[in-house]
Amino acid sequence: KAGVTQTPRYLIKTRGQQVTLSCSPISGHRSVSWYQQTPGQGLQFLFEYFSETQRNKGNFPGRFSGRQFSNSRSEMNVSTLELGDSALYLCASSLEWSRRGDTQYFGPGTRLTVL
Amino acid sequence: AQSVTQPDIHITVSEGASLELRCNYSYGATPYLFWYVQSPGQGLQLLLKYFSGDTLVQGIKGFEAEFKRSQSSFNLRKPSVHWSDAAEYFCAVGLSGGYQKVTFGTGTKLQVIP
Repeated sequence: KAGVTQTPRYLIKTRGQQVTLSCSPISGHRSVSWYQQTPGQGLQFLFEYFSETQRNKGNFPGRFSGRQFSNSRSEMNVSTLELGDSALYLCASSLEWSRRGDTQYFGPGTRLTVL
Repeated sequence: AQSVTQPDIHITVSEGASLELRCNYSYGATPYLFWYVQSPGQGLQLLLKYFSGDTLVQGIKGFEAEFKRSQSSFNLRKPSVHWSDAAEYFCAVGLSGGYQKVTFGTGTKLQVIP
């Protein structure tokens, strides 16, 4: 079974631009979560989607948004990029993320650099 | 709110030596506990998880962890470290019901010297 895939793997943008990152979960997984990883803040939860609905959200500004499609693929968008948005963005998928015993599987991440 | 503490930012061990990475959590109920490993430039790989039952959990790559409720700890151990184990290790805690918002520790970077 193919793992979680994320595209693109690397991205360079300038301040003020917007960016869209994509995540394809493991086949059959319906929950997709997004995390931001930076050296200073570590791993921080952004949001989680299940069946095209956002179920859970972390403490990030409204510039960070996401969506999930009917095939469970998910996209994350960041508008009006700031230097501090430079990070590794990780996507994780799981079957439902609400059943006891469920586990998240992570993709390789998208490295975003904002200049 | 739940929280996770990994008190060791960086650990160096010799190849073949034993390893213990510390993890302490704060949560009122029985948590879900995870250990992940991240190699440079890569995503996180699940090593093992504890949800309930036997408090000694076996994982991949020869790792194990023990859940100690009295100490609020979930330390990761390996009897003999290999050079390929050099990576960053993250402990994480999740809520014990409903959909989860997992909280990660700050990570412990493991260096293995020959």
